[in-house]
Amino acid sequence: EIVLTQSPGTLSLSPGERATLSCRASQSVGSNFLAWYQHKPGQAPRLLIYGAASRATGIPDRFSGSGSGTDFTLTISRLEPEDFAVYYCQQYGNPPQTFGQGTKVEIQ
Amino acid sequence: QLQLQESGPGLVKPSETLSLTCIISGDSIKTDSYWWAWIRQPPGKRLEWIGSIHYRGPTDYYPSLKSRVTMSMDLSKNQFSLKLQSVTAADTAVYYCVRWDGYDGDFDIWGQGTMVIVSP
Repeated sequence: EIVLTQSPGTLSLSPGERATLSCRASQSVGSNFLAWYQHKPGQAPRLLIYGAASRATGIPDRFSGSGSGTDFTLTISRLEPEDFAVYYCQQYGNPPQTFGQGTKVEIQ
Repeated sequence: QLQLQESGPGLVKPSETLSLTCIISGDSIKTDSYWWAWIRQPPGKRLEWIGSIHYRGPTDYYPSLKSRVTMSMDLSKNQFSLKLQSVTAADTAVYYCVRWDGYDGDFDIWGQGTMVIVSP
């Protein structure tokens, strides 16, 4: 199965700054079927990006996804206070679908 | 608005069967475009897909759990269920029921999750 490795483990930033999160796959992700999720404590995870670069319904345009093959990136252009959370990538191009270990974006 | 809610015991003894149900509200379980899934997250570990089921019958399970997992649906109650047999402490986790988009391949709607502890 594909192993997804996210980096960094923790990102310490201030509101208004740009966040760049990485997700690297152990082998090429079929059809760039990669998604990103936001998870806050006590809440349900929320789908942000699917198909590597398509924003899900209702997701602000400060969130963007890019990449292909084995290297993918989630960018938050200007952090808002509500964006501090844990972010996971997930691939579904090569069964079984798998998740990364997460990147925590915390307030500096 | 579609909502998913997990229900079931929060404590299960080792070697017994973990049973959870997901109640769907705001939409029908009988949609061709979507599957219904269970995902779990053990403490300090990454999310793990357990399996998925479609209302027409097919199921798909994570290979390493396949021998212990059964998923089913009750169309009249608009809900689906998970049974995990012969549990151990390694099955302690937050369990989420989730809708899986069969076209885009992502998990687009999640329940809040329910913590299940396996302990004597």
